[in-house]
Amino acid sequence: DAKTTQPTSMDCAEGRAANLPCNHSTISGNEYVYWYRQIHSQGPQYIIHGLKNNETNEMASLIITEDRKSSTLILPHATLRDTAVYYCIVRVAWYGGATNKLIFGTGTLLAVQP
Amino acid sequence: GAVVSQHPSRVICKSGTSVKIECRSLDFQATTMFWYRQFPKQSLMLMATSNEGSKATYEQGVEKDKFLINHASLTLSTLTVTSAHPEDSSFYICSAQPSGFQETQYFGPGTRLLVL
Repeated sequence: DAKTTQPTSMDCAEGRAANLPCNHSTISGNEYVYWYRQIHSQGPQYIIHGLKNNETNEMASLIITEDRKSSTLILPHATLRDTAVYYCIVRVAWYGGATNKLIFGTGTLLAVQP
Repeated sequence: GAVVSQHPSRVICKSGTSVKIECRSLDFQATTMFWYRQFPKQSLMLMATSNEGSKATYEQGVEKDKFLINHASLTLSTLTVTSAHPEDSSFYICSAQPSGFQETQYFGPGTRLLVL
């Protein structure tokens, strides 16, 4: 699986949009971009994933560049509860019974400030 | 939907004893479950992949005889830390992948193990 590069930490003001970047310059054509977050002392929480089109759900938006070498996770209106470590992971999604591992990097610690 | 539970949430044991941690998918079936370990201020490290009805696949450097994994049903996987030592103290997290839907894994809340 391709590796990702994320900033170690970021700050964001409460109520503002949080934009978390991720570089995955060696991503393969069949690899998806996944985002998870981990609030302190909890298990990771799935946020969103995508292949090449931009995606949006109730939690966030995922913007993937046309060359797929980078992406941005957008939390439109950050709250204090969004303070967490955010992990960007690229992985092949297999259909038909094969296992697929998530390999976590160091992630970005997002601190939402009041 | 997509809830994964772990039991216990926290356990303290004496050195040399064995500890069993359960991971359950509450509202879906999971052919595959994963076990991770996380030390303080570090990222999650994948320990093993657990497949229902077959032997687990361990990552390099993880002792299979020390970390016993059983995945006896589509909703339950267990991790047993045998002869635990203080260096096994860690945060153990499982995840479950819904059967037939390979894209997403859902994580449990984690189990904090302290070996005295």
